[in-house]
Amino acid sequence: GESVGLHLPTLSVQEGDNSIINCAYSNSASDYFIWYKQESGKGPQFIIDIRSNMDKRQGQRVTVLLNKTVKHLSLQIAATQPGDSAVYFCAETRPTGANSKLTFGKGITLSVRP
Amino acid sequence: EAGVTQSPTHLIKTRGQQATLRCSPISGHTSVYWYQQALGLGLQFLLWYDEGEERNRGNFPPRFSGRQFPNYSSELNVNALELEDSALYLCASSSTVNYGYTFGSGTRLTVV
Repeated sequence: GESVGLHLPTLSVQEGDNSIINCAYSNSASDYFIWYKQESGKGPQFIIDIRSNMDKRQGQRVTVLLNKTVKHLSLQIAATQPGDSAVYFCAETRPTGANSKLTFGKGITLSVRP
Repeated sequence: EAGVTQSPTHLIKTRGQQATLRCSPISGHTSVYWYQQALGLGLQFLLWYDEGEERNRGNFPPRFSGRQFPNYSSELNVNALELEDSALYLCASSSTVNYGYTFGSGTRLTVV
């Protein structure tokens, strides 16, 4: 079956350090990947996305890396701040069709130590 | 631009009752998705509506149902509520099928 999973349930980092959140996916047909951030009491918020024809994409303080060979996705957050504390989800989807939907991983909690 | 709005914010129901949750997508978005998020868990796909039609359904029993109205707003109905239905129900919308989901803040359903 298909799955999008995260390697670790929690991650604790020191404020100012870089954070790396990893995600594995099993469906090689996936062609679009998204990272979401969910703060307590709120819905998931889009952070950054990447298509399967790319290896890397950068945003403001965030970088997503895609390794299709090993079906691995990572989110790098530079100079982590207290406001980055949240649950992070990776999600994947395939080309449009009858079964199209975003499949989410279980989520990893990022905790930033002051 | 208004985001995805969901109502009510909180809902408390008794086991066996029915719950109705509502979602208004971003203006111009035609696809609406429903997800269930149990406490401490990930997002489980429930339903996807586009242009008024149900396009896909997750692995949930038939007592979970919904519809999409001509104005693209959507309703999720849960019949014969069970205690394990207690969760945060999230609605998302997109303008291009499958891409660029925007989520609402969710409805917290508690079944007692």
